[in-house]
Amino acid sequence: DTGVSQDPRHKITKRGQNVTFRCDPISEHNRLYWYRQTLGQGPEFLTYFQNEAQLEKSRLLSDRFSAERPKGSFSTLEIQRTEQGDSAMYLCASSLSGQGYGYTFGSGTRLTVV
Amino acid sequence: GNSVTQMEGPVTLSEEAFLTINCTYTATGYPSLFWYVQYPGEGLQLLLKATKADDKGSNKGFEATYRKETTSFHLEKGSVQVSDSAVYFCALSVLDSSYKLIFGSGTRLLVRP
Repeated sequence: DTGVSQDPRHKITKRGQNVTFRCDPISEHNRLYWYRQTLGQGPEFLTYFQNEAQLEKSRLLSDRFSAERPKGSFSTLEIQRTEQGDSAMYLCASSLSGQGYGYTFGSGTRLTVV
Repeated sequence: GNSVTQMEGPVTLSEEAFLTINCTYTATGYPSLFWYVQYPGEGLQLLLKATKADDKGSNKGFEATYRKETTSFHLEKGSVQVSDSAVYFCALSVLDSSYKLIFGSGTRLLVRP
Protein backbone atom coordinates (compact mmCIF):
# COMPACT_ATOMS: atom_id res chain seq x y z
CA ASP A 1 0.00 0.00 0.00
CA THR A 2 1.51 3.30 -1.09
CA GLY A 3 -0.64 5.58 1.04
CA VAL A 4 -2.89 8.33 -0.25
CA SER A 5 -1.95 9.67 -3.67
CA GLN A 6 -2.98 13.00 -5.12
CA ASP A 7 -2.56 14.23 -8.64
CA PRO A 8 -1.36 16.68 -9.80
CA ARG A 9 1.02 18.01 -7.16
CA HIS A 10 0.86 21.50 -8.57
CA LYS A 11 -1.63 23.24 -10.85
CA ILE A 12 -1.44 26.75 -12.22
CA THR A 13 -4.54 27.93 -14.02
CA LYS A 14 -6.00 31.13 -15.33
CA ARG A 15 -8.97 32.67 -13.62
CA GLY A 16 -12.21 31.35 -15.05
CA GLN A 17 -10.82 27.97 -16.09
CA ASN A 18 -12.01 24.65 -14.68
CA VAL A 19 -9.66 22.33 -12.82
CA THR A 20 -9.99 18.77 -11.57
CA PHE A 21 -7.93 17.02 -8.92
CA ARG A 22 -7.73 13.32 -8.22
CA CYS A 23 -7.24 11.42 -4.99
CA ASP A 24 -6.51 7.69 -4.61
CA PRO A 25 -7.09 6.64 -0.98
CA ILE A 26 -5.75 3.67 0.92
CA SER A 27 -7.70 0.76 -0.53
CA GLU A 28 -9.25 -0.57 2.68
CA HIS A 29 -10.32 2.87 3.93
CA ASN A 30 -14.01 3.51 3.40
CA ARG A 31 -13.89 7.19 4.33
CA LEU A 32 -12.43 9.90 2.13
CA TYR A 33 -12.15 13.56 3.06
CA TRP A 34 -11.23 16.73 1.19
CA TYR A 35 -9.69 19.66 3.04
CA ARG A 36 -8.37 23.04 1.95
CA GLN A 37 -5.34 24.67 3.50
CA THR A 38 -4.29 28.26 2.96
CA LEU A 39 -0.93 29.69 3.92
CA GLY A 40 -0.41 29.90 7.65
CA GLN A 41 -3.67 28.17 8.48
CA GLY A 42 -4.76 24.72 9.47
CA PRO A 43 -6.71 22.56 7.04
CA GLU A 44 -10.44 23.31 6.71
CA PHE A 45 -13.02 20.61 6.04
CA LEU A 46 -14.68 20.68 2.63
CA THR A 47 -16.53 17.38 2.19
CA TYR A 48 -16.40 13.67 2.91
CA PHE A 49 -17.51 10.35 1.48
CA GLN A 50 -18.34 7.05 3.05
CA ASN A 51 -17.81 4.59 0.26
CA GLU A 52 -19.44 6.23 -2.77
CA ALA A 53 -21.90 8.40 -0.83
CA GLN A 54 -21.10 12.06 -0.25
CA LEU A 55 -22.48 12.59 3.25
CA GLU A 56 -21.56 16.15 4.14
CA LYS A 57 -20.46 19.34 2.44
CA SER A 58 -19.06 22.39 4.17
CA ARG A 59 -20.48 25.85 3.57
CA LEU A 60 -16.99 26.59 2.23
CA LEU A 61 -17.87 24.41 -0.75
CA SER A 62 -19.62 26.81 -3.12
CA ASP A 63 -21.69 25.72 -6.10
CA ARG A 64 -18.56 25.93 -8.24
CA PHE A 65 -17.09 22.98 -6.38
CA SER A 66 -18.15 19.40 -6.95
CA ALA A 67 -16.72 16.15 -5.69
CA GLU A 68 -17.35 12.57 -6.69
CA ARG A 69 -16.23 9.16 -5.58
CA PRO A 70 -17.51 6.66 -8.12
CA LYS A 71 -17.58 3.06 -6.92
CA GLY A 72 -16.16 4.12 -3.58
CA SER A 73 -12.60 4.11 -4.83
CA PHE A 74 -10.75 7.22 -6.09
CA SER A 75 -12.28 10.67 -5.78
CA THR A 76 -12.21 13.80 -7.90
CA LEU A 77 -12.66 17.41 -6.85
CA GLU A 78 -13.61 19.83 -9.61
CA ILE A 79 -13.59 23.59 -9.37
CA GLN A 80 -15.44 25.44 -12.11
CA ARG A 81 -14.76 29.05 -13.11
CA THR A 82 -11.80 29.33 -10.78
CA GLU A 83 -11.21 32.54 -8.84
CA GLN A 84 -8.02 33.87 -7.28
CA GLY A 85 -9.47 33.11 -3.85
CA ASP A 86 -9.45 29.42 -4.74
CA SER A 87 -5.65 29.40 -4.60
CA ALA A 88 -4.76 26.98 -1.81
CA MET A 89 -3.46 23.52 -1.05
CA TYR A 90 -6.18 20.90 -1.51
CA LEU A 91 -5.66 17.91 0.74
CA CYS A 92 -7.23 14.50 0.51
CA ALA A 93 -7.29 12.07 3.41
CA SER A 94 -8.70 8.62 4.02
CA SER A 95 -9.55 6.67 7.12
CA LEU A 96 -11.54 3.84 8.57
CA SER A 97 -14.86 4.69 10.19
CA GLY A 98 -14.71 5.59 13.84
CA GLN A 99 -13.80 8.55 15.98
CA GLY A 100 -10.48 7.27 17.23
CA TYR A 101 -8.89 6.67 13.85
CA GLY A 102 -6.59 9.31 12.54
CA TYR A 103 -6.49 10.18 8.90
CA THR A 104 -3.81 9.37 6.36
CA PHE A 105 -3.26 12.48 4.27
CA GLY A 106 -1.97 12.77 0.75
CA SER A 107 0.72 15.29 -0.15
CA GLY A 108 -1.85 17.66 -1.55
CA THR A 109 -2.45 19.55 -4.76
CA ARG A 110 -1.29 23.15 -4.72
CA LEU A 111 -3.56 25.30 -6.87
CA THR A 112 -2.51 28.73 -8.05
CA VAL A 113 -5.06 30.82 -9.91
CA VAL A 114 -3.52 33.67 -11.87
CA GLY B 1 -19.06 24.96 18.65
CA ASN B 2 -15.88 23.02 18.13
CA SER B 3 -12.54 24.80 17.95
CA VAL B 4 -8.84 24.34 18.60
CA THR B 5 -6.45 27.04 19.75
CA GLN B 6 -2.69 26.67 19.47
CA MET B 7 0.12 28.89 20.59
CA GLU B 8 1.41 31.11 17.84
CA GLY B 9 4.79 30.47 16.37
CA PRO B 10 7.40 30.37 15.32
CA VAL B 11 8.95 28.57 18.22
CA THR B 12 12.74 28.67 17.93
CA LEU B 13 14.82 26.31 20.06
CA SER B 14 18.35 25.07 20.23
CA GLU B 15 19.00 21.39 19.68
CA GLU B 16 18.37 19.26 22.81
CA ALA B 17 16.09 21.89 24.36
CA PHE B 18 12.73 20.99 25.91
CA LEU B 19 9.66 21.62 23.77
CA THR B 20 6.13 22.51 24.75
CA ILE B 21 3.47 23.54 22.24
CA ASN B 22 0.22 24.49 23.91
CA CYS B 23 -3.15 23.36 22.56
CA THR B 24 -6.59 23.93 24.07
CA TYR B 25 -9.92 22.97 22.64
CA THR B 26 -13.62 23.67 22.86
CA ALA B 27 -16.02 20.85 22.12
CA THR B 28 -19.27 19.29 23.15
CA GLY B 29 -18.51 16.04 24.91
CA TYR B 30 -15.14 14.32 24.79
CA PRO B 31 -13.64 14.24 21.33
CA SER B 32 -10.56 12.34 20.27
CA LEU B 33 -7.49 14.55 20.07
CA PHE B 34 -4.62 14.44 17.62
CA TRP B 35 -1.29 16.02 16.80
CA TYR B 36 -0.24 16.12 13.16
CA VAL B 37 3.13 17.22 11.81
CA GLN B 38 3.87 18.75 8.42
CA TYR B 39 7.49 18.71 7.27
CA PRO B 40 8.53 21.17 4.56
CA GLY B 41 7.12 20.15 1.20
CA GLU B 42 5.23 17.18 2.60
CA GLY B 43 1.70 16.27 3.61
CA LEU B 44 0.38 16.03 7.15
CA GLN B 45 1.41 12.99 9.15
CA LEU B 46 -0.31 11.72 12.25
CA LEU B 47 2.13 12.13 15.13
CA LEU B 48 0.06 10.90 18.08
CA LYS B 49 -3.48 10.66 19.38
CA ALA B 50 -5.55 10.19 22.52
CA THR B 51 -9.14 9.02 22.54
CA LYS B 52 -10.25 9.60 26.13
CA ALA B 53 -9.48 11.68 29.18
CA ASP B 54 -6.11 11.05 30.87
CA ASP B 55 -4.85 9.05 27.89
CA LYS B 56 -1.26 9.83 26.90
CA GLY B 57 -0.33 9.64 23.25
CA SER B 58 3.32 9.20 22.39
CA ASN B 59 5.48 8.74 19.33
CA LYS B 60 9.08 9.53 18.33
CA GLY B 61 9.81 11.03 21.75
CA PHE B 62 6.78 13.35 21.60
CA GLU B 63 4.02 13.08 24.21
CA ALA B 64 0.66 14.70 24.88
CA THR B 65 -1.86 13.99 27.63
CA TYR B 66 -5.61 14.46 27.20
CA ARG B 67 -6.60 16.78 30.07
CA LYS B 68 -10.36 17.03 30.41
CA GLU B 69 -10.29 19.43 33.35
CA THR B 70 -8.24 22.01 31.46
CA THR B 71 -9.47 21.04 27.94
CA SER B 72 -5.87 20.83 26.83
CA PHE B 73 -3.59 18.54 24.83
CA HIS B 74 -0.14 20.11 25.02
CA LEU B 75 2.65 18.59 22.96
CA GLU B 76 6.01 17.97 24.69
CA LYS B 77 9.39 16.57 23.82
CA GLY B 78 12.31 16.34 26.18
CA SER B 79 15.12 16.95 23.68
CA VAL B 80 14.42 18.31 20.21
CA GLN B 81 16.53 17.68 17.13
CA VAL B 82 17.08 19.74 14.02
CA SER B 83 15.02 17.15 12.15
CA ASP B 84 11.97 18.05 14.29
CA SER B 85 11.71 21.40 12.51
CA ALA B 86 8.21 21.41 11.02
CA VAL B 87 4.72 22.77 11.51
CA TYR B 88 2.66 21.05 14.21
CA PHE B 89 -1.15 20.97 14.13
CA CYS B 90 -3.44 20.08 17.00
CA ALA B 91 -6.84 18.69 16.00
CA LEU B 92 -10.01 17.25 17.45
CA SER B 93 -12.45 14.79 15.97
CA VAL B 94 -16.01 16.10 15.88
CA LEU B 95 -18.50 13.97 17.81
CA ASP B 96 -20.91 13.26 15.00
CA SER B 97 -21.02 10.62 12.31
CA SER B 98 -18.63 12.53 10.07
CA TYR B 99 -15.60 12.22 12.39
CA LYS B 100 -14.22 15.23 10.61
CA LEU B 101 -11.21 16.91 12.12
CA ILE B 102 -11.09 20.50 13.31
CA PHE B 103 -7.54 21.83 13.19
CA GLY B 104 -5.72 24.59 14.97
CA SER B 105 -3.79 27.10 12.91
CA GLY B 106 -0.48 25.32 13.40
CA THR B 107 2.74 26.15 15.22
CA ARG B 108 6.02 26.33 13.33
CA LEU B 109 8.99 24.87 15.17
CA LEU B 110 12.53 25.77 14.16
CA VAL B 111 15.35 23.90 15.84
CA ARG B 112 18.84 25.36 15.45
CA PRO B 113 21.99 23.22 15.72
